[in-house]
Amino acid sequence: GAVVSQHPSWVICKSGTSVKIECRSLDFQATTMFWYRQFPKQSLMLMATSNEGSKATYEQGVEKDKFLINHASLTLSTLTVTSAHPEDSSFYICSARVGTVNNEQFFGPGTRLTVL
Amino acid sequence: SQKIEQNSEALNIQEGKTATLTCNYTNYSPAYLQWYRQDPGRGPVFLLLIRENEKEKRKERLKVTFDTTLKQSLFHITASQPADSATYLCALERGKLIFGQGTTLQVKP
Repeated sequence: GAVVSQHPSWVICKSGTSVKIECRSLDFQATTMFWYRQFPKQSLMLMATSNEGSKATYEQGVEKDKFLINHASLTLSTLTVTSAHPEDSSFYICSARVGTVNNEQFFGPGTRLTVL
Repeated sequence: SQKIEQNSEALNIQEGKTATLTCNYTNYSPAYLQWYRQDPGRGPVFLLLIRENEKEKRKERLKVTFDTTLKQSLFHITASQPADSATYLCALERGKLIFGQGTTLQVKP
């Protein structure tokens, strides 16, 4: 099946710094990529939807100036957590979808962010 | 408001038995319903998708039913194995995926 990678798999940073997470579709072109956040024992919460070459669409309550999303190519999307704080510590997961005909989404392995 | 409910209590069953997980939803009319498996510290892995006009879908030992009148989906794993132990998430889609909180399945040998 299609493979989605994320880098890094885990990151620890100091409060106030910015962290960039990369999401790549390795063997297919993704017209749409999604970013989710998951806190322990909780569900995946959709943060934003991004289409290649367009501005991301953010879900209600997600600060677009804090979580910067760039989808510069059909195989790469990045999420930058700016001025990270301890409450931003979470498991960030991206997914990619090919068009809309096949609605299957392929998920990355996730990135564990810990902000000290 | 839209709500997806999965049994938050872990399901413990004996190897070889059939595991049945439930997903209920309210205030939502999904075009598709999907089931995913998630292992600790990993991203979800797609298992099955069922459309609103389908009643049942099978894949190997997995079976999913979808009752849009009851607003419920059942996910069955037959002849369960310890390797099936994981958290199973249901997700509804109409343009974007909305996930339930998942049910953890523990299959004991």
